[in-house]
Amino acid sequence: ETGVTQSPTHLIKTRGQQVTLRCSSQSGHNTVSWYQQALGQGPQFIFQYYREEENGRGNFPPRFSGLQFPNYSSELNVNALELDDSALYLCASSLNAGANVLTFGAGSRLTVL
Amino acid sequence: AQSVTQLGSHVSVSEGALVLLRCNYSSSVPPYLFWYVQYPNQGLQLLLKYTTGATLVKGINGFEAEFKKSETSFHLTKPSAHMSDAAEYFCAVSDGANRDDKIIFGKGTRLHILP
Repeated sequence: ETGVTQSPTHLIKTRGQQVTLRCSSQSGHNTVSWYQQALGQGPQFIFQYYREEENGRGNFPPRFSGLQFPNYSSELNVNALELDDSALYLCASSLNAGANVLTFGAGSRLTVL
Repeated sequence: AQSVTQLGSHVSVSEGALVLLRCNYSSSVPPYLFWYVQYPNQGLQLLLKYTTGATLVKGINGFEAEFKKSETSFHLTKPSAHMSDAAEYFCAVSDGANRDDKIIFGKGTRLHILP
């Protein structure tokens, strides 16, 4: 059973650029949630995808967007990057939507200069 | 909306001593409660969870937590700390198993183990 894998592990961007982060969910899981973890903070919920449709969104602006593919992998896209977007972005998969146990990837660390 | 408050951003205990990490929650309905651990440069790993039933929940690595509705608390304990327990611990809450419910995390407590 493979776990959740995220890519890239680290990346550096400049203000105004766009970034795409990728996540492969655990085998058998159909739901992916994305979280932003700023330095010294807890994970903040960005949004969740369930069977290729957005299923809930946290308090993040529209420049944060996502996709889920038929194989349940997912992408997080951030446009017009700002310095405050620097954070660890965590992807978590689960079996079905709702408050099930989340299986987390190791994250993608984004630095915006 | 649900929320979580973790008391103490840093906690230090001696190896072999009791570990107590505090968590209080706010929820309009009976909550689901979780503790996750994060080791450096890794994602979060589930330690234990409470959904319904027995209020004392046992998790991995010797940790346990007790759901106290009257105190709206879900404190994490371990009788004897080990050096390998040094990590960041997150308490989390959700409003149940409904499809639209999301897991909300506290800000975390970093546990330091003193030799």
